[in-house]
Amino acid sequence: DQQVKQNSPSLSVQEGRISILNCDYTNSMFDYFLWYKKYPAEGPTFLISISSIKDKNEDGRFTVFLNKSAKHLSLHIVPSQPGDSAVYFCAANNYGQNFVFGPGTRLSVLP
Amino acid sequence: NAGVTQTPKFRILKIGQSMTLQCAQDMNHNYMYWYRQDPGMGLKLIYYSVGAGITDKGEVPNGYNVSRSTTEDFPLRLELAAPSQTSVYFCASSGRTGGNTEAFFGQGTRLTVV
Repeated sequence: DQQVKQNSPSLSVQEGRISILNCDYTNSMFDYFLWYKKYPAEGPTFLISISSIKDKNEDGRFTVFLNKSAKHLSLHIVPSQPGDSAVYFCAANNYGQNFVFGPGTRLSVLP
Repeated sequence: NAGVTQTPKFRILKIGQSMTLQCAQDMNHNYMYWYRQDPGMGLKLIYYSVGAGITDKGEVPNGYNVSRSTTEDFPLRLELAAPSQTSVYFCASSGRTGGNTEAFFGQGTRLTVV
């Protein structure tokens, strides 16, 4: 049973446009959500997070939105750049528990 | 500040061989984790540790063992390697003090069992 789902295996966007990556979760006990970015042959690197007491967190070009009632979060990248091309993992945890990861979405930003 | 260091980066094992994947962190983090990533899949938790001397199973622990004798090190042992253990292995650590925080990952170890 996948507790964290990313239903789009891949996404292509034009440089300068908005990228929207989606994530759904099933465990209502999750209270902290994270996005990681992964380049080939490297480990995942932390991008941005959001606590369940918030509905939005912004860091430069990256914004994460959380809809607790829908158990849904999304990552917006504006404007998208070719260097953003990577696999993006959504992750969740409950304080004191472990990180649960989604299967990832491969983002391709086309010049 | 090196963060999380994994060795080796690559390894080929024959079926039935054993090996230890090394992981060290220099951030004084209490929590450490081992994940594996199969092609096209997310990261699955193998084992984790909440502090020196304490370890517990994750989602896919069969065929692996861990130990945590120090805060810094968290080696993963593969006994009797099988082709199903061909994967990329990631070690991670997190502070978890005072609330939620992110996990920091190593560069990964790509293991092939033939």
